[in-house]
Amino acid sequence: NAGVMQNPRHLVRRRGQEARLRCSPMKGHSHVYWYRQLPEEGLKFMVYLQKENIIDESGMPKERFSAEFPKEGPSILRIQQVVRGDSAAYFCASSQGSGRSGEQYFGPGTRLTVT
Amino acid sequence: QQQVKQSPQSLIVQKGGIPIINCAYENTAFDYFPWYQQFPGKGPALLIAIRPDVSEKKEGRFTISFNKSAKQFSLHIMDSQPGDSATYFCAASIGNQFYFGTGTSLTVIP
Repeated sequence: NAGVMQNPRHLVRRRGQEARLRCSPMKGHSHVYWYRQLPEEGLKFMVYLQKENIIDESGMPKERFSAEFPKEGPSILRIQQVVRGDSAAYFCASSQGSGRSGEQYFGPGTRLTVT
Repeated sequence: QQQVKQSPQSLIVQKGGIPIINCAYENTAFDYFPWYQQFPGKGPALLIAIRPDVSEKKEGRFTISFNKSAKQFSLHIMDSQPGDSATYFCAASIGNQFYFGTGTSLTVIP
């Protein structure tokens, strides 16, 4: 039973380019979360999605960042016109989304470096 | 506003010691409190979790103590080993909304 998968694991972009990060949730999970982790810092919530819906994007910067979780395929976190400050590890997590709080399982992360 | 406050930021113990990491929360609606372990270069991994209807949960060498009235919970690692050296995050959730602490970097010295 595969866990949460993220690709690429490492991504290097020049300033001004676009970064696309992909996340495939665990089998049977319909809820996806994206987090950002800066060096020596904790996990910062960015966005929470269900299939085809953004449920909570309160942690997402208002500009340049967007996320989607289409009916088919992985969830995508898109960062347009990247800047050096976007360099971080981006983690995706998934859960079953049952009525009570469910366990959240993390992927291995994508480490974005902006040069 | 930090929904979950975690301390200490870093912790160093000798092998065999019992490191304790503490977390505090404000929102009494939280109904699930997991702990995650993260090794360098890896994603956080669910370690142990508790719901507020119990005061303690033990899995192997890891124990969560939960104090509902004080709105605090803590992670204890018994007989700590160098392989336990990692960053530990507490979290609290309501439904599918998760809030994480800032992490504790644990070093266990051989």
